[in-house]
Amino acid sequence: GIQVEQSPPDLILQEGANSTLRCNFSDSVNNLQWFHQNPWGQLINLFYIPSGTKQNGRLSATTVATERYSLLYISSSQTTDSGVYFCAVRGGGTSYGKLTFGQGTILTVHP
Amino acid sequence: EPEVTQTPSHQVTQMGQEVILRCVPISNHLYFYWYRQILGQKVEFLVSFYNNEISEKSEIFDDQFSVERPDGSNFTLKIRSTKLEDSAMYFCASSPTGGFAEAFFGQGTRLTVV
Repeated sequence: GIQVEQSPPDLILQEGANSTLRCNFSDSVNNLQWFHQNPWGQLINLFYIPSGTKQNGRLSATTVATERYSLLYISSSQTTDSGVYFCAVRGGGTSYGKLTFGQGTILTVHP
Repeated sequence: EPEVTQTPSHQVTQMGQEVILRCVPISNHLYFYWYRQILGQKVEFLVSFYNNEISEKSEIFDDQFSVERPDGSNFTLKIRSTKLEDSAMYFCASSPTGGFAEAFFGQGTRLTVV
């Protein structure tokens, strides 16, 4: 099956810093989503971005499907950005929609 | 905004007991999923459900697990005889179609088996 690798595994920032999280995948995809898992364990949809670039406030994401990677940018980080960020993909040959998740990046933002 | 809702948010059960986790997917969606996340690990696919039958399942989804859509709105996951290793966060998700469409996740049910 498709492999998803996220980097870095851990990231520690001071409030106000910018960061880039990376997601590499091993095969063509027809869906890519970024999630933020908050301290209560809830998965919050950040972006649905199988290709191209999107922005939502301080967050933006870019997927280059032909080169099999996606980037999540967080600017002017805040302590509430702390948590685990997951990338999840649906392989191009999967018709029923199963998402494969990466291991996640644990982000800690200090005040 | 429509959302996927799951109940209960937290369930504690004794080993060997049956549990049913409930989900109400978004109303016009056609594909339904269950995922599991053991504490500190990544989210893993369990099963997908379309047109009133299982369309795909992982090796985790053994005979102890079953899914059902008993009416037009609910989607349930049953674990027949719980084990300690079933303790995890269980997420329900739904999608309007199975291909390019975005999947929407519920807030999760934290299952603790004691």
